[in-house]
Order: sequence, then C-alpha cells, then structure tokens
Amino acid sequence: GAGVSQTPSNKVTEKGKYVELRCDPISGHTALYWYRQSLGQGPEFLIYFQGTGAADDSGLPNDRFFAVRPEGSVSTLKIQRTERGDSAVYLCASSPSIGKDTEAFFGQGTRLTVV
Amino acid sequence: AQSVSQHNHHVILSEAASLELGCNYSYGGTVNLFWYVQYPGQHLQLLLKYFSGDPLVKGIKGFEAEFIKSKFSFNLRKPSVQWSDTAEYFCATSRGGADGLTFGKGTHLIIQP
Repeated sequence: GAGVSQTPSNKVTEKGKYVELRCDPISGHTALYWYRQSLGQGPEFLIYFQGTGAADDSGLPNDRFFAVRPEGSVSTLKIQRTERGDSAVYLCASSPSIGKDTEAFFGQGTRLTVV
Repeated sequence: AQSVSQHNHHVILSEAASLELGCNYSYGGTVNLFWYVQYPGQHLQLLLKYFSGDPLVKGIKGFEAEFIKSKFSFNLRKPSVQWSDTAEYFCATSRGGADGLTFGKGTHLIIQP
C-alpha cells in the first residue's frame, strides 16, 4: 500500500490480557517509530527501530511493553498484562533511510481499550 | 530533554479570520520543527517543516510558520481560515537524524461557518 498500515484499527481487551499491535511501514522505509496518544494529549514517543534493531527504546513505559521488527519491515508492539491505563491510540510512523532531516509518515493508529 | 508547549488548547474562529497558533520548544541545540494536522477521523499529516535555511516556511493548504530562534518559537499562521481547517494541530520537534518526535499537547481548532 501507499501509506503506513496498522492493524487492528480497534482492539478491546480485558485487564491482564496480552495484546499485539501490528504496523506495516511504507515500503523501503528503514526507520519505524511507535507512539502512544492518550486522550487530550499529543503523541508520546515509545520506541524507534532502524532496520531490525531498536535504536532507542527509552520511551517504553515499563517492561510490560516490548516491540520487535525481525525482518526490518513489519513491526509488532506487544503489551503484556494489560492495565486500564494502557488504553490509548497507538500510532506507528515510518521514515526513509537515516540521514539528517527526515520526515515521518503516520498510520491511522490502533485504538486500544482495556476494560 | 526536549519539551514542546502549545499555548492554546482550544481555539474557535469564524471563517476568513486570521489564525496564529503558538508553539515554543525547550531544546537549545539544533532542532527540526514540524506542524502536523489531524482532521477528524484521519491520520496525522505533515503541514510543514523547518530543518534549516529560510526561517519562514510555507506548507500545504496556505499555512506558514516562522522559526524565531531567539524566542524558541515556531508559530503557525494562516491569513484566512476555512471551515475545512477544523482539526487538531500539533507542533513537534526532533533533534535531527532519525530521532523520534516530541509533540506538544495539541490545539483543537474549530472554524465556524
């Protein structure tokens, strides 16, 4: 596809369950980012991949959150033992090869609701 | 750490009014600056960006922004708004390279016909 694709678009899960959120970046983009947007807030950086490796995971809130990008394309954000406070829209973005002054393109997000 | 402050959380204007949304950032080094827009039900889209050079940058849909280094500001402007400009506007910074973005809390703009 032409843009960043995120699935599912909506996910409702029970407290304590495990969830996986998927991101398909724009073809050829080597950098991939995950953000979390809570109600009334701007997106908050979680983790950034350059190729297969996590270049910066300083934004992950705790060890219940984990993300992978095994082949340098699709990425999965994994949340263990979900809590009600994890409810938010999870955004994925990708950008072209590393270098100065790159621009990120965003997907539509996955709205996660923990009940 | 970087931070971004957007002064107005909710703005209501009539069509044809002029718009200025404030944005200040905290990081003192080299920064890249962005304005993103999120229309109802849509994904974040880039309005404009500043990396270097001319501090007055023009974006899509008639928007422009001015980088004032001495004031750590990057305010968004549009001389005459339209009803279709109703959206959430986010100012963001990065340190360059492929670093993640730091966003402000956003400004919800409502244009009344």
